[in-house]
Amino acid sequence: DAGITQSPRYKITETGRQVTLMCHQTWSHSYMFWYRQDLGHGLRLIYYSAAADITDKGEVPDGYVVSRSKTENFPLTLESATRSQTSVYFCASSVTTGGNHNEQFFGPGTRLTVL
Amino acid sequence: KNQVEQSPQSLIILEGKNCTLQCNYTVSPFSNLRWYKQDTGRGPVSLTIMTFSENTKSNGRYTATLDADTKQSSLHITASQLSDSASYICVVSSWANNFGNEKLTFGTGTRLTIIP
Repeated sequence: DAGITQSPRYKITETGRQVTLMCHQTWSHSYMFWYRQDLGHGLRLIYYSAAADITDKGEVPDGYVVSRSKTENFPLTLESATRSQTSVYFCASSVTTGGNHNEQFFGPGTRLTVL
Repeated sequence: KNQVEQSPQSLIILEGKNCTLQCNYTVSPFSNLRWYKQDTGRGPVSLTIMTFSENTKSNGRYTATLDADTKQSSLHITASQLSDSASYICVVSSWANNFGNEKLTFGTGTRLTIIP
């Protein structure tokens, strides 16, 4: 099916473990984004990618690593999970940015709990 | 510091009634303003995108307004339906040299509940 998907949808892990959240889009969009959503905060940008092999930090990148070897995939890795990384993570994609109609399309989210 | 504030935080209305959600922002330089609908357990879905020169935009029963002078926006929902129960998020886009040339600042949302 076309669209943007995330896996897993739910994940429970322990402090110190490495966790990878997957994101896949079928539109061949150039830009992909990772956000986290926490109570009392708007979505905050973790990392983004303008194209395959091009990634850059967002507002809250500490403790996260990304890669983008293929246009359609943008995995997010927590190298050593901490309780403060308990959150709902959203992946998004867009054709480009910097214009008036560059809508970002969001995935369904991954709810991550770090014990 | 760029900020987007939404009010009210939550709202409960009867099915069939109208409602208006508010958004105030201090974001510069302004590029566009977006309203998203987020159902529980789902990702946000775009409702409208408005540029500086647009002061109203409709999408079915949703009508967004923008006053760039006062830096305020509203989202009006007409003849509400049970399926309108969701969080509505105001997002302001600003031009930036990083973040892919466009930085989005998200509000915390208004939680709308429609009761039969």
